[in-house]
Amino acid sequence: GAGVSQTPSNKVTEKGKYVELRCDPISGHTALYWYRQSLGQGPEFLIYFQGTGAADDSGLPNDRFFAVRPEGSVSTLKIQRTERGDSAVYLCIPGGTDTEAFFGQGTRLTVV
Amino acid sequence: GIQVEQSPPDLILQEGANSTLRCNFSDSVNNLQWFHQNPWGQLINLFYIPSGTKQNGRLSATTVATERYSLLYISSSQTTDSGVYFCAVSYPHAGGTSYGKLTFGQGTILTVHP
Repeated sequence: GAGVSQTPSNKVTEKGKYVELRCDPISGHTALYWYRQSLGQGPEFLIYFQGTGAADDSGLPNDRFFAVRPEGSVSTLKIQRTERGDSAVYLCIPGGTDTEAFFGQGTRLTVV
Repeated sequence: GIQVEQSPPDLILQEGANSTLRCNFSDSVNNLQWFHQNPWGQLINLFYIPSGTKQNGRLSATTVATERYSLLYISSSQTTDSGVYFCAVSYPHAGGTSYGKLTFGQGTILTVHP
């Protein structure tokens, strides 16, 4: 299975607002990835954590996006000054080296 | 970064027909997965197949890593096969290690009519 719990499942926010999306891995994987899937596209990599540190944040689209994982388990993706183009499904998955990725339902973010 | 191209972009079938979906990638990979995204948006794992051939019921997949492509075969298609099929790859990171950062293709939209 997906191995994570993401909350909220759906979030509607107004343009310009700040949002936080939470990812709670069920099992104790050291690695955690965030992806987002915009309508009509495949998922795109955002950021990868190894433990508490962001090992690769090259997929974050701009500085309005930030993610943390302070204790190496739960991770929060933070989006400031949301724009309509941020509307997407945000997915997080646990993982390790060359393991098969299993995606859950994610959080559907709608910016109006 | 690595490029992943899927073909065809759209495919319409009558129930019972067979089909082949293709995934080309631009560099060596050490992870390749096929996913089916159903109409409710759920990404369902079909195959983890960085090389070789696997079969699961009416579906099978072959990856020829040296030639940088993978094929997904669907036989005797059913209406429940409709949805979007994604191929995703990861490749060795600088330094020889890989952490499973996946790059997805744009997908093939499959519609199976009764």
